[in-house]
Amino acid sequence: QSALTQPASVSGSPGQSITISCTGTSSDVGGYDYVAWYQQHPGKAPKLILYEVNHRPSGVSSRFSGSKSANTATLTISGLHVDDEADYYCTSYTTTGTLWVFGGGTKLTVL
Amino acid sequence: EVQLVESGGVVVQPGGSLRLSCAASEFTFDDYVMHWVRQPPGKGLEWVSLITWDGSSASYADSVKGRFTISRDNRNNSLYLHMDSLRPDDTAFYYCSKGGAGWSTPPMSWGQGTLVTVSS
Repeated sequence: QSALTQPASVSGSPGQSITISCTGTSSDVGGYDYVAWYQQHPGKAPKLILYEVNHRPSGVSSRFSGSKSANTATLTISGLHVDDEADYYCTSYTTTGTLWVFGGGTKLTVL
Repeated sequence: EVQLVESGGVVVQPGGSLRLSCAASEFTFDDYVMHWVRQPPGKGLEWVSLITWDGSSASYADSVKGRFTISRDNRNNSLYLHMDSLRPDDTAFYYCSKGGAGWSTPPMSWGQGTLVTVSS
């Protein structure tokens, strides 16, 4: 069982917007703005798409955005593209022994 | 562009030991925290360990504490993960990742991973 809770799957049509939630506790997501999101295509390494809740690394599309409220962080992808279809993982800094915890991952299907 | 190339993944028997290596290039290696993250085939990501820029401090996931040791050689731009008392549930792709300046920066750039299989 993962430390952070994500929905197993979400889906959307090209052009639509979707959100993926990442729920933790006050010891991780709720306690720090050190939440990051990754995109992983099949057979590939994860790619960082957001860090510190809502900061995008250079080269990442502005269609990816993040927010946080209490113990839940949210990834929003607007204007879905077919190649957004991938697995998405959240991670948070924590002080409960293990320094970084991940969510179980969400499979995004673009119909 | 950051380059990270992992090596050392093999099939090993339960109870065995193994050392993974990661060769880093195209960035100033000794400026950054480095992480190891693993992913069992077909499953999710699990953070394993990190080490500070100078190798003076390290942190481990509870699942590997006491069995795995992270280290680095800044002269040779290399990161290592020494794994002892390996168990079948350690079977995973192991990714080397560049962090930031401190412990609170997540894995940023990733290598392509190396597969460790623990099986008799």
